[in-house]
Amino acid sequence: DAMVIQNPRYQVTQFGKPVTLSCSQTLNHNVMYWYQQKSSQAPKLLFHYYDKDFNNEADTPDNFQSRRPNTSFCFLDIRSPGLGDAAMYLCATSRDMAGSNTQYFGPGTRLTVL
Amino acid sequence: GDSVTQMEGPVTLSEEAFLTINCTYTATGYPSLFWYVQYPGEGLQLLLKATKADDKGSNKGFEATYRKETTSFHLEKGSVQVSDSAVYFCALSGPSPLNDYKLSFGAGTTVTVRA
Repeated sequence: DAMVIQNPRYQVTQFGKPVTLSCSQTLNHNVMYWYQQKSSQAPKLLFHYYDKDFNNEADTPDNFQSRRPNTSFCFLDIRSPGLGDAAMYLCATSRDMAGSNTQYFGPGTRLTVL
Repeated sequence: GDSVTQMEGPVTLSEEAFLTINCTYTATGYPSLFWYVQYPGEGLQLLLKATKADDKGSNKGFEATYRKETTSFHLEKGSVQVSDSAVYFCALSGPSPLNDYKLSFGAGTTVTVRA
């Protein structure tokens, strides 16, 4: 089945130690998104790629970076994780940027910062 | 800006009870409306959507109708099961030319169904 895959499902890192989360998709969608979801809250968009064009949300901290080496893969890099970065990180894709398009979400990576 | 107001939870029901979760929105023009469901420890799954006024989305026994006159998209299910226990998010996107793709989420409603 076509899908959005995230690895790992659970990630533990130490305060200040860089960490990379991975997302891949078999939907061949043009747009890939990264969201942060803290406990009992709605997801918050961090940034997205339309093909190779990167768009950062205005309030996304500089500590968060992203790479999209090809259509299928997208990575979230947290350069120096703080305790406040512990959250579920969700990757999503959509065919294009039209509002009527559905965003398809992966299962998420739960990040713990010690 | 565009926003979604969703009924606060938590909601606790018995199996086979009727479920309704209210959702109203504020937007210029005609946004697309979505209900996503999040099971414990999982990502979001699209439950249903509607992209124009009077459209009804339906899936797995859930329904919601896009009501332009009341700016609402209430979620309903006639007979819930224990497996429907989850967090439900109402969301909208569009029709802003600059931010058409952005999903504005409601706060989420936690639903627990008891056997």
